[in-house]
Amino acid sequence: GAVVSQHPSRVICKSGTSVKIECRSLDFQATTMFWYRQFPKQSLMLMATSNEGSKATYEQGVEKDKFLINHASLTLSTLTVTSAHPEDSSFYICSAREDESSGNTIYFGEGSWLTVV
Amino acid sequence: AQTVTQSQPEMSVQEAETVTLSCTYDTSENNYYLFWYKQPPSRQMILVIRQEAYKQQNATENRFSVNFQKAAKSFSLKISDSQLGDTAMYFCAFISGYSTLTFGKGTMLLVSP
Repeated sequence: GAVVSQHPSRVICKSGTSVKIECRSLDFQATTMFWYRQFPKQSLMLMATSNEGSKATYEQGVEKDKFLINHASLTLSTLTVTSAHPEDSSFYICSAREDESSGNTIYFGEGSWLTVV
Repeated sequence: AQTVTQSQPEMSVQEAETVTLSCTYDTSENNYYLFWYKQPPSRQMILVIRQEAYKQQNATENRFSVNFQKAAKSFSLKISDSQLGDTAMYFCAFISGYSTLTFGKGTMLLVSP
């Protein structure tokens, strides 16, 4: 199956700093990528939909100025958590969608654990 | 809006036995895709199996098979010959067109020796 790579898998940062997480589709072009946050023992919460070459679409309640998403190419989307706070500590996971002709399947990255100290 | 319901928060099964995880969904769409994803303790989301709504034949992938009942909007996952490595959270998911993926709340499956 298609492979999506997410980096870094774990990151620790200080309060007030920014951290960037990358999501790459390795063997297919993804016009659409998604960013999720997952709290312990819960399902994935969609944060935003990232479309190549255009602005991301954020879900209600997600601060777009805090969670900056860039989808500059068909294989790369980035999530930057700006001015991080301890409450931003979480598991973040991205996904990329194959086009409908390939089955409309969504593949996930390995996820990133963010700890803000 | 689409909804996906997994009514079993937790399930347990003994190694080598068969277990079925339930999933129902609600949609007014006619063309859509259904998925089962597995999330082991590593937290990576792994695609287990997918089903196109327009296909009547149930999808199978080795020990994993689905019972897709379109009229009843039901999409259960059967795991045969359960293995310890099958221990994970299992999410049922739905997508249509260019909508976002809608997940159920998940079922935690524990396979014991």
